[in-house]
Amino acid sequence: SQKIEQNSEALNIQEGKTATLTCNYTNYSPAYLQWYRQDPGRGPVFLLLIRENEKEKRKERLKVTFDTTLKQSLFHITASQPADSATYLCARPAGASNTGKLIFGQGTTLQVKP
Amino acid sequence: EAGVTQFPSHSVIEKGQTVTLRCDPISGHDNLYWYRRVMGKEIKFLLHFVKESKQDESGMPNNRFLAERTGGTYSTLKVQPAELEDSGVYFCASSQWRAGGSYEQYFGPGTRLTVT
Repeated sequence: SQKIEQNSEALNIQEGKTATLTCNYTNYSPAYLQWYRQDPGRGPVFLLLIRENEKEKRKERLKVTFDTTLKQSLFHITASQPADSATYLCARPAGASNTGKLIFGQGTTLQVKP
Repeated sequence: EAGVTQFPSHSVIEKGQTVTLRCDPISGHDNLYWYRRVMGKEIKFLLHFVKESKQDESGMPNNRFLAERTGGTYSTLKVQPAELEDSGVYFCASSQWRAGGSYEQYFGPGTRLTVT
């Protein structure tokens, strides 16, 4: 069955450093992967989508990679700030047809210390 | 543009009672999804509406859950009768169709349901 695995342990880093979060998936490579940010008491907020044929995608201080050989996506936040502290979720579409139904990982909580 | 709204934000009910959750998607979004996060677990899909039609309800736990989307606007999710294991945070999300399929989803703040 399709699964998304994220490191459930919290990631603690110092302000200004680069945070790197890992998302591993099982089964066949999805057409795309999505990354969301979730703050306590709020719903997930979409950040980035990377397609299977894209190796890397950037948006401001965010960078996402997609490695179909390793079945892995890496999510980087450069020059991290305390405001980046949140839980980051990786998601893939369920099944081959793109109906929008998503499978989520448990998320990795990032804590950026000043 | 108003985001996805959900009501109530928090509901505490006793086992056996009925609760109805409401979701108002972003105006114009044909796709509406319900998800649930049980404590300690990942967010899991419950069902998907396209306008007023149920596209996929494969994630609905059992027949105690009933979702509707009359007129293709807001949606309700009713749990009757509620059981302890129904406790969790229920999220609603909406999206637009794009060429190649729907993509990013806009989530509401969630309804925290506690069944005692």
